[in-house]
Amino acid sequence: AQSVTQPDIHITVSEGASLELRCNYSYGATPYLFWYVQSPGQGLQLLLKYFSGDTLVQGIKGFEAEFKRSQSSFNLRKPSVHWSDAAEYFCAVGALGTASKLTFGTGTRLQVTL
Amino acid sequence: NAGVMQNPRHLVRRRGQEARLRCSPMKGHSHVYWYRQLPEEGLKFMVYLQKENIIDESGMPKERFSAEFPKEGPSILRIQQVVRGDSAAYFCASSPGGGNQPQHFGDGTRLSIL
Repeated sequence: AQSVTQPDIHITVSEGASLELRCNYSYGATPYLFWYVQSPGQGLQLLLKYFSGDTLVQGIKGFEAEFKRSQSSFNLRKPSVHWSDAAEYFCAVGALGTASKLTFGTGTRLQVTL
Repeated sequence: NAGVMQNPRHLVRRRGQEARLRCSPMKGHSHVYWYRQLPEEGLKFMVYLQKENIIDESGMPKERFSAEFPKEGPSILRIQQVVRGDSAAYFCASSPGGGNQPQHFGDGTRLSIL
């Protein structure tokens, strides 16, 4: 069974600083990987996805993520954080052939200080 | 171009009552997924449906919970005889197809059980 671990429950960064949110997955084959962002009281918005090909994927709002098979990781990065990026971030994995069933991590809450 | 529409946004029920949560997928999407989010946790998959078919219900509790996606109208998640532990946010997502098609989420229904 697939699983996702987001080791950081809560991260605080200063506006303008760089950001990296960690995500480790467990799955026996090539996974489909996603990052979603959730603002309070809202649904999830897709930031980016990885299916195959280039291991560095670009997303919306200036985010990017890198798939590293050897480390089973799919970390999310942003060079310069804006106060509006404060939200909860979820990493998710879908299995090949049954990607419809997403398994989510427990999320990382990002706080941005001015 | 409306997104995934869920209603109601907030639902309050007393123990023993029934809760009905509705989800209208994005235009052109025929695949619907339901997830549950408990406080301070990630989303947990419940069920995956296509029109008039349940494709995967491996995440559904064995009792009291049911889901449908009729030929006409929204998808319905029904919880009978609700208990306090059913209090959660219930999210619906839709995609144009299965497999690796990204899922688009609604804003959720917050269910509170008195």
